[in-house]
Amino acid sequence: AQSVTQLDSQVPVFEEAPVELRCNYSSSVSVYLFWYVQYPNQGLQLLLKYLSGSTLVKGINGFEAEFNKSQTSFHLRKPSVHISDTAEYFCAVSDHAGNMLTFGGGTRLMVKP
Amino acid sequence: DAGVIQSPRHEVTEMGQEVTLRCKPISGHDYLFWYRQTMMRGLELLIYFNNNVPIDDSGMPEDRFSAKMPNASFSTLKIQPSEPRDSAVYFCASKERYTEAFFGQGTRLTVV
Repeated sequence: AQSVTQLDSQVPVFEEAPVELRCNYSSSVSVYLFWYVQYPNQGLQLLLKYLSGSTLVKGINGFEAEFNKSQTSFHLRKPSVHISDTAEYFCAVSDHAGNMLTFGGGTRLMVKP
Repeated sequence: DAGVIQSPRHEVTEMGQEVTLRCKPISGHDYLFWYRQTMMRGLELLIYFNNNVPIDDSGMPEDRFSAKMPNASFSTLKIQPSEPRDSAVYFCASKERYTEAFFGQGTRLTVV
């Protein structure tokens, strides 16, 4: 079985500041990792994914994440946030069987002017 | 492709009534998931299908909930009878193996 922990339920940050949203997972097998974003009253949209290869993954809207196997982490970063980045962010993991996705509890990013 | 399509977008019903939520997955996707999202419990997986067969329904809260997938292009989630505590946003998602899941816009259910 696998699980995902997002350590921060809310992250307030000022506009143009850098941000890191933390994600740790537990799994006994190799995994695929994902970050999703949910804007108010919308569904979840994929930001980026790690399937294999380079551990630094770049996604949409200037976000990137780094897979760290020894730390079992997949933290999301952005060097300079905008007001429009205010949303809820979900980390997810699936095992190499590639079927179901397990989601973390979500982190609400609040960007202040 | 138009993406995952859910209907209705909003549903308001009275306690005790039957509610049916509908989902059309992306063509060619062989996995389909139903999730429920609430403020208290976050995003919960209710059930998922592979090739129209239910694989894991351990997240279905109780017997009042049932899900079907009669063919590759359609799935329903039914609640009978509905209760106020079922009020939530219900998401459908579909995927191919080894890829990310694509989500619908959700159905906001309010049971009064």
